[in-house]
Amino acid sequence: QQQVKQSPQSLIVQKGGISIINCAYENTAFDYFPWYQQFPGKGPALLIAIRPDVSEKKEGRFTISFNKSAKQFSLHIMDSQPGDSATYFCAASVLSGYSTLTFGKGTMLLVSP
Amino acid sequence: DAGVIQSPRHEVTEMGQEVTLRCKPISGHDYLFWYRQTMMRGLELLIYFNNNVPIDDSGMPEDRFSAKMPNASFSTLKIQPSEPRDSAVYFCASTMDSSYNEQFFGPGTRLTVL
Repeated sequence: QQQVKQSPQSLIVQKGGISIINCAYENTAFDYFPWYQQFPGKGPALLIAIRPDVSEKKEGRFTISFNKSAKQFSLHIMDSQPGDSATYFCAASVLSGYSTLTFGKGTMLLVSP
Repeated sequence: DAGVIQSPRHEVTEMGQEVTLRCKPISGHDYLFWYRQTMMRGLELLIYFNNNVPIDDSGMPEDRFSAKMPNASFSTLKIQPSEPRDSAVYFCASTMDSSYNEQFFGPGTRLTVL
């Protein structure tokens, strides 16, 4: 019940294209859904996060879409750039009464020039 | 702020040796986490501390692994004896408090056990 399932494992997108990464969860108590970005040789860093009271959150070229009834959320990267090439992790947690982040297995994104 | 500091960045050791990984969290952060990252299993939470006290160590793979946090600015993860299957990147992360869930990760320690 604590799992977060992420797909695809890897993704190749042409420069200027849209990258889409999907995650699904089981635990309906989750109320915080962040995405982390990791470059080679670095630790993951928070990219964008959403609470379930909204269905979409946009920051620049990055958008989270959230579907509470389907228990799914996704990351969309518009106008993908080679500099976006990284591993992306979705995660989920319960903010009230602190719980740790449950991470998906990650998606390696390569944006070809 | 220097961010989360981990040392060493790379460690190569032989099977059976003791390995100690070190972490300095961001000053003022109450929570500290140790993760292990492998291609097969992704990011796994090993243990986390709140105010220097271990809260959940259910992710520690076996008794060969131990972690301590003697004070608010230092934590260690020890593997004794090490095995080749322990080869992975180990991350330390910290966060401020329970209402602010952004975790700040260190650069990681790449451990290779031969």
